[in-house]
Amino acid sequence: DSGVTQTPKHLITATGQRVTLRCSPRSGDLSVYWYQQSLDQGLQFLIQYYNGEERAKGNILERFSAQQFPDLHSELNLSSLELGDSALYFCASSVGNSRITGELFFGEGSRLTVL
Amino acid sequence: GQNIDQPTEMTATEGAIVQINCTYQTSGFNGLFWYQQHAGEAPTFLSYNVLDGLEEKGRFSSFLSRSKGYSYLLLKELQMKDSASYLCAVGNSGNTPLVFGKGTRLSVIA
Repeated sequence: DSGVTQTPKHLITATGQRVTLRCSPRSGDLSVYWYQQSLDQGLQFLIQYYNGEERAKGNILERFSAQQFPDLHSELNLSSLELGDSALYFCASSVGNSRITGELFFGEGSRLTVL
Repeated sequence: GQNIDQPTEMTATEGAIVQINCTYQTSGFNGLFWYQQHAGEAPTFLSYNVLDGLEEKGRFSSFLSRSKGYSYLLLKELQMKDSASYLCAVGNSGNTPLVFGKGTRLSVIA
């Protein structure tokens, strides 16, 4: 158990819909990262938050957004869903020194299926 | 930008030794990580190299050559439970998170 909690574990929805994925980082970790993993692409970095502020942005679509709340949990919002958005979405946390990348602790992931 | 290459698949026999290679091109290098990921599960940390040389941790060892942009993960005394994907990831200084390679799927056979 990494200490990172993600909900829901599985989600099935239809194209055009909107979903919210939730992540609670390890106690004491200030940084939260979101990654998308599909079969042919590997782990793709989406976005990072550090202590409530956006710190880095990767290949995140405009239809996707995220935030980190004062209690440090984070939500990833995916809207206008397309078939290609079906993937495993991982949240990871770290102690979060903003200048040095450290070991990441991953949650179990949220498997999104768009039909 | 960054480029990380590792073989897509490997097969090895139980009890044997396997070496999984990773080459990378990056700027501001700040360490190389190896993660293990069983199918459908979360990646878990295996090793971290920031200086050249070999880091040994039980049955697993990881090697880094910064001048060559090269690392390998060595798994000894392979067990069936070692069947998993092994992800090479590069850390960078500055506000950039880990960048992962596509992973090497290792199958351990009897």
